[in-house]
Amino acid sequence: ETGVTQTPRHLVMGMTNKKSLKCEQHLGHNAMYWYKQSAKKPLELMFVYNFKEQTENNSVPSRFSPECPNSSHLFLHLHTLQPEDSALYLCASSLGSAGNEQFFGPGTRLTVL
Amino acid sequence: AQSVTQPDIHITVSEGASLELRCNYSYGATPYLFWYVQSPGQGLQLLLKYFSGDTLVQGIKGFEAEFKRSQSSFNLRKPSVHWSDAAEYFCAVVGDRDDKIIFGKGTRLHILP
Repeated sequence: ETGVTQTPRHLVMGMTNKKSLKCEQHLGHNAMYWYKQSAKKPLELMFVYNFKEQTENNSVPSRFSPECPNSSHLFLHLHTLQPEDSALYLCASSLGSAGNEQFFGPGTRLTVL
Repeated sequence: AQSVTQPDIHITVSEGASLELRCNYSYGATPYLFWYVQSPGQGLQLLLKYFSGDTLVQGIKGFEAEFKRSQSSFNLRKPSVHWSDAAEYFCAVVGDRDDKIIFGKGTRLHILP
């Protein structure tokens, strides 16, 4: 595997479910990001991790819980989501954080029923 | 705080015609500027970036962009589009002391045969 991979690619869940999104990068980067992409809204940065430490939480509701066990893996744990949380969730990584090119995964299409 | 404006939500051009996608940014100093492309069902791919130096930047897939400080613009151009260029294009900006990349709302490009 090369680049940034995300699993699952599609996820349908009820509002009471708990699920997790996984992101893995094979690029030797040290910064990883979660974005939310909704229809008719700009791409929203959710979380930034740099060397496994969270450096940005962009006022994300607590029903989204990120985890970064090492520089190659990033998780987004989901619980008691709302229908408005349905979106494409994109993971990205970069070498360093400030100003460097971000490489994106293909995204997880999440539908909350 | 920096911001990015892409004034055109949709652009339609004929195959073989030239293309220009507009991007305006707001930032006090010279920012880092990016253009990304997103094909349906995919993540974002970097087309080109501007950090400093020559204001005309060449990217992949035959794209180029020109940084114009006086107009706070970073427009994307291609002399002759191909049907495979149909996608959504995002302009993005990062301040030089900030690791938060701000994306525009995107411009969806449609190609007529």
